[in-house]
Amino acid sequence: DAGVTQSPTHLIKTRGQQVTLRCSPKSGHDTVSWYQQALGQGPQFIFQYYEEEERQRGNFPDRFSGHQFPNYSSELNVNALLLGDSALYLCASQQGNTEAFFGQGTRLTVV
Amino acid sequence: GENVEQHPSTLSVQEGDSAVIKCTYSDSASNYFPWYKQELGKGPQLIIDIRSNVGEKKDQRIAVTLNKTAKHFSLHITETQPEDSAVYFCAATSNDYKLSFGAGTTVTVRA
Repeated sequence: DAGVTQSPTHLIKTRGQQVTLRCSPKSGHDTVSWYQQALGQGPQFIFQYYEEEERQRGNFPDRFSGHQFPNYSSELNVNALLLGDSALYLCASQQGNTEAFFGQGTRLTVV
Repeated sequence: GENVEQHPSTLSVQEGDSAVIKCTYSDSASNYFPWYKQELGKGPQLIIDIRSNVGEKKDQRIAVTLNKTAKHFSLHITETQPEDSAVYFCAATSNDYKLSFGAGTTVTVRA
């Protein structure tokens, strides 16, 4: 079992650009959540996808959007990047109300 | 929404001693409390969790206690080893799956 895998591992983008991050959940998991972790802080919930729909959303602007595919994999899109969007983006998967497993994250740097 | 506070922010212990990290939460509806360990460059790894119908749970050198009345829960690591050095996060959630994290505790085990 490969666990939760994210790609790419690192990414550098320019202010104003758009970025897409990808996540493959752990085998057997149907729910994917995305978190933003700024340096030295705890992860902050962005949103959660279940059955290809956004089930919950945290306090993030509409520039942050996502998608879940029929195979349960997911994408996080961020438009009009700001310097403050620089962070580690984490994907977590779970099955129902079970424990969440995290991927290794994508380190996004906006310059 | 849920607010989780975590203390201390840094903790240095001698190898073989115990380490204790404390968290408080604000939402009385929270019923699941996981603890994650995050090593440099990696995603958070679940190390132990507890549900609100249990007061204490132990797994080898790690234990977690929960006081629902006081809305606080703690992580106890006994016989600390150098490989226990990492950042530890507590989290809380109700049945809506969204995890609210504390700010993290950097634990350093001195040889």
